[in-house]
Amino acid sequence: SYELTQPPSLSVSPGQTASIACSGDGLESKYTYWYQQKAGQSPVMVINKDTKRPSGIPDRFSATNSGNTATLTISGTQTLDEADYYCQAWDSKTAWVFGGGTKLTVL
Amino acid sequence: DVQLVESGGGSVQPGGSLRLSCAASGFTFSLYEMNWVRQAPGKGLEWISYISASGDVIEYAASVKGRFTISRDSATGSLFLQMSSLRAEDTAVYFCAREGNDVQDGFDFWGQGTLVTVSS
Repeated sequence: SYELTQPPSLSVSPGQTASIACSGDGLESKYTYWYQQKAGQSPVMVINKDTKRPSGIPDRFSATNSGNTATLTISGTQTLDEADYYCQAWDSKTAWVFGGGTKLTVL
Repeated sequence: DVQLVESGGGSVQPGGSLRLSCAASGFTFSLYEMNWVRQAPGKGLEWISYISASGDVIEYAASVKGRFTISRDSATGSLFLQMSSLRAEDTAVYFCAREGNDVQDGFDFWGQGTLVTVSS
C-alpha cells in the first residue's frame, strides 16, 4: 500500500519559516494536499493540488512538490499556526492516503 | 453556508454494529464526492471510505473493507457509514468530508466528527 512519511514534530520561533516535508514514492506524479488541524477541531485544507491556497488561507502558506517530497512552508510563522499538519495524496491502488502528521510548535 | 453534521456515534461492544449519518446542507449534495475519515484518540487521520457523486463508485481502506458500508441518499442530502463487526481499534472520531467540485480537488469541507467507542 502507498505510504506518506512526515516528521512527527517541528518547533519554530514566531516569525521564522516552518518547512514540513512529506515523502512518498513518485509523489511528484501525484497531487499533494495539506491540512491543518488545531487541537479539538476538524481539519482545514490549507493547500489544494500541490500549490493552490483555498479561499481564506493566508498567503504565508505555500507548498511545492518535487521528486519524492512535497513541502509545506509557513513564512513568518505565528503562534496561531500551532497545529498538526497532514499531507495527503491519491494513489490508484490505495485511494486516499494521509501522512502520519507533523505537530508544529511555535514558541 | 456549507455544513456537514455527523451523528450516530456512541459506545458499542466488540462485534457490534453502528450506523453513522452525515447531514449535508448549503450545497447541491448530489454533485459532490464524499468521504469518511477517522482519527483514533491521540493519533493521525485515517481515510476509510469514498463514494462518488452518483454513488456508483465506492472505495474502502483495507482496515475496514468487508465490515463497513458507505452509502448516500441525495434526496435527503445524507451520507451514511454502516459499521459492523466492530473492534477496539475502530474507536475513533469519525469525520465526513466533501471533495471539492473540481477534478482531483481535496477535502474542502469537514464535519465536526462523531465519536465511536468500541469497548466491552
